[in-house]
Amino acid sequence: KAGVTQTPRYLIKTRGQQVTLSCSPISGHRSVSWYQQTPGQGLQFLFEYFSETQRNKGNFPGRFSGRQFSNSRSEMNVSTLELGDSALYLCASSRSPGVSTDTQYFGPGTRLTVL
Amino acid sequence: KQEVTQIPAALSVPEGENLVLNCSFTDSAIYNLQWFRQDPGKGLTSLLLIQSSQREQTSGRLNASLDKSSGRSTLYIAASQPGDSATYLCAVTNSGGGADGLTFGKGTHLIIQP
Repeated sequence: KAGVTQTPRYLIKTRGQQVTLSCSPISGHRSVSWYQQTPGQGLQFLFEYFSETQRNKGNFPGRFSGRQFSNSRSEMNVSTLELGDSALYLCASSRSPGVSTDTQYFGPGTRLTVL
Repeated sequence: KQEVTQIPAALSVPEGENLVLNCSFTDSAIYNLQWFRQDPGKGLTSLLLIQSSQREQTSGRLNASLDKSSGRSTLYIAASQPGDSATYLCAVTNSGGGADGLTFGKGTHLIIQP
């Protein structure tokens, strides 16, 4: 069974631009979460989607947004990019939230560089 | 606010040794705890998941324990191999069904010397 896929794998943008990242979960998984990984802060939770609804959002500014489609695929968008947004963005999928035995499966990530 | 700490931050040992990685968390109201490994430039691979009601889980040469009351977990790796070299991350899901996602430690960077 195919794993979590993320596109694109690498992105280079300049300050002020916006970017959209895509995540396709494992077939049958309906919950998708997004995380930002930086050397200084480590892995930080951005948001989680289930059944096209955002369940919660981490402590990030409104420039970070996302959505989920009816086929469970998810996109996240970052507007007005800043240098500090340079990071590895990871997507994770699980069958559904709130299941204590449910492992989260991570994609390979999208490496975003803001110049 | 939940905080997860991993000690040591880095570890280098010769091949064949048994080793223990430590993880501590400040709020014992967790749903589960997971151990992941991350290879350079790659995503995370789930190793073990321990539910809050469990004390340990085993998979091959890996054994993870959980002491929820003291806010501690350990990952034991037996007979280490060079292929075990990676960053190991501990993460907790807070009670409430994980609506605020996983809270991660900063990881232990492990090098197994051939």
